[in-house]
Amino acid sequence: DVKVTQSSRYLVKRTGEKVFLECVQDMDHENMFWYRQDPGLGLRLIYFSYDVKMKEKGDIPEGYSVSREKKERFSLILESASTNQTSMYLCASTPDRVIYGYTFGSGTRLTVV
Amino acid sequence: AQSVAQPEDQVNVAEGNPLTVKCTYSVSGNPYLFWYVQYPNRGLQFLLKYITGDNLVKGSYGFEAEFNKSQTSFHLKKPSALVSDSALYFCAVRALGMEYGNKLVFGAGTILRVKS
Repeated sequence: DVKVTQSSRYLVKRTGEKVFLECVQDMDHENMFWYRQDPGLGLRLIYFSYDVKMKEKGDIPEGYSVSREKKERFSLILESASTNQTSMYLCASTPDRVIYGYTFGSGTRLTVV
Repeated sequence: AQSVAQPEDQVNVAEGNPLTVKCTYSVSGNPYLFWYVQYPNRGLQFLLKYITGDNLVKGSYGFEAEFNKSQTSFHLKKPSALVSDSALYFCAVRALGMEYGNKLVFGAGTILRVKS
């Protein structure tokens, strides 16, 4: 069964820490995405990547960066965590053909204290 | 620009009754439409999609959706609701065209509560 794996289900970090959220997919998908999900706001796109070493800003990139050194792995980095980054983070991937939807990971619930 | 509206924050229905979760979209050109479901503290799971062809699309767990181009709607339906259908449902749209890339735009989500 194909899958997108997020390394942590729950994380608690302190304000100012550098935080790494890891996402790995085993489907050889070209495209990978990071969303955050907050009640009443739905899913908001943070960053996405169409290829290795390629990244593009989504709708809310401030305070985040990403890394894609290998096709299967897409990392989200919180340079200096803040309490307003407490959220559910979802990783997704999709192949290039637009008829496909996304495959999502199980999510990482991050709490910044 | 692409956008999706889910006008209801929450839908309540009794078990065994039909359910409808509404979705309208705005996009230039032909849309690709998707429904996802999310259970508590989990990622989103694919339910069904409309790409082309028959306007009535059947998906997982007995769900179906009807694409209506004139009303720009893609409402999710099920003839007989189960308590286990209680979850958060997201509608999403992807526009055809290189300028839109491979991004899906999601609605805000609708909580479905099915009571026994």
